[in-house]
Amino acid sequence: QVQLVESGGGVVQPGGSLRLSCAVSDFNFRTWGMHWVRQAPGKGLEWVAFIRYDGSSKFHADSVKGRFTISRDNSKNTLFLQMDSLRGGDTAMYYCAKDGYIRGWGNYQDVWGNGVTVTVSS
Amino acid sequence: EIVMTQSPATLSVSPGERATLSCRASQNLRRNYLAWYHQKPGQAPRLLISGASSRATGIPDRISGSGSGTEFTLTISSLQSEDFAVYYCQQYEDWPITFGQGTRLEIK
Repeated sequence: QVQLVESGGGVVQPGGSLRLSCAVSDFNFRTWGMHWVRQAPGKGLEWVAFIRYDGSSKFHADSVKGRFTISRDNSKNTLFLQMDSLRGGDTAMYYCAKDGYIRGWGNYQDVWGNGVTVTVSS
Repeated sequence: EIVMTQSPATLSVSPGERATLSCRASQNLRRNYLAWYHQKPGQAPRLLISGASSRATGIPDRISGSGSGTEFTLTISSLQSEDFAVYYCQQYEDWPITFGQGTRLEIK
């Protein structure tokens, strides 16, 4: 069964950095694009970033562009989200999710992890 | 950016009855790249529908999606206890991918 397990969350001060990881098992990671989606406490879903299966293209939401960077290591079946210059508005549950189309250009998300909490506070 | 607007914000329906949720896109989704998810408290979202009307694996046929262009509908016939949740529509036609604000489906 496909599993996505996020880690690396925690409490960080404004202006600080965190690196989230998403370990993937039981599917051919290197042939699927991956997303990060976040959800602020009590709020709706916000798409954050997408990376193609081979890392050749990346897309980021305007709200995180220039501060967050999505990346992947296909040899380790792991997805990353480097988060710099963190702000209070970045406080959220962060989910990694698998793209729905093999070798696709960014579509719906058909498998989700359980999420990891990021809190930005002084 | 394509803005997705869902209505109503909250829908109260009795078990066994039908629920109809709406989603409107601010621009025409020519390829009908529209997905629906539901999310129960404390859980991750779950994909229900992609391509406006294709059910995801394991989704019962009492859940159906319809619509095209800018107007889309999720229908749940004969509501079961596990259907009471928050529902989100999402467009993946263009960057950035955007979600609606959600519809809370609650027990009447």
